[in-house]
Amino acid sequence: TQLLEQSPQFLSIQEGENLTVYCNSSSVFSSLQWYRQEPGEGPVLLVTVVTGGEVKKLKRLTFQFGDARKDSSLHITAAQPGDTGLYLCAVASGTYKYIFGTGTRLKVLA
Amino acid sequence: ETGVTQTPRHLVMGMTNKKSLKCEQHLGHNAMYWYKQSAKKPLELMFVYNFKEQTENNSVPSRFSPECPNSSHLFLHLHTLQPEDSALYLCASSQDFAGRMYGYTFGSGTRLTVV
Repeated sequence: TQLLEQSPQFLSIQEGENLTVYCNSSSVFSSLQWYRQEPGEGPVLLVTVVTGGEVKKLKRLTFQFGDARKDSSLHITAAQPGDTGLYLCAVASGTYKYIFGTGTRLKVLA
Repeated sequence: ETGVTQTPRHLVMGMTNKKSLKCEQHLGHNAMYWYKQSAKKPLELMFVYNFKEQTENNSVPSRFSPECPNSSHLFLHLHTLQPEDSALYLCASSQDFAGRMYGYTFGSGTRLTVV
C-alpha cells in the first residue's frame, strides 16, 4: 500500500515568514498534486507536477517535484493569514483513484 | 456559482435513520467521486463513477449506498450508520477520468454526525 507522509503535521508561523512543507513516499509516481483545504470547505487544486525535478510557481508558492519522482515540496514565501489551511498532496494509485497524504495544517498569525 | 454543490452542509442523524447526501456539478465532468474525511486520517476514496457507471467501490460497508442517475448528479444514501461514520463527506468531479491531468473539483462537503 502506498503511503504518503507529509511533514510537518502542524505549523504555526507569523505573517511574513517563509516555510516549506514536504510530501514523501518510497514509491515512484507519474504525477503529484497539491491541494489546499480551508476550514469548512473542500480541497482546492493548486498544482499538478509531472516531470522529475519540475518546479512550478503560483504567486508566493513554489512547488518542486523530486528528481526521482518520489517526493515533493511546497515553499511559501512571506506567508499571509490567507495561506492558512490544510495542505494535501495526492498521487495516482491504480487506474481510478488518487491517494492523499496525511496533510500539513498551517496557521499563519497576523 | 461554485462548480460542485453538496447538500446538506450539515447533517445530524440517529443510528436508525435513513438520509441521503446530494452532489451536483454542471462542469461537464464525466467522473464523480465520494470521499470520506475523518479527523487525523487521510482522505479515503469511497466510490468512483465514470459516465454514470460505478467503477470503484473501495470496500465500503453496505450501509453506504451510492446512486448516480446521470453525469451531473451523485447521491450517497445512508442507513443504520454507526457513530464512527461521523465525518466530512466530500464529493468531487474531474474532467479527465481519475483527475490525472486537471485534478479534482471538490464540493464543500457534508459534515455528518451520527448520534
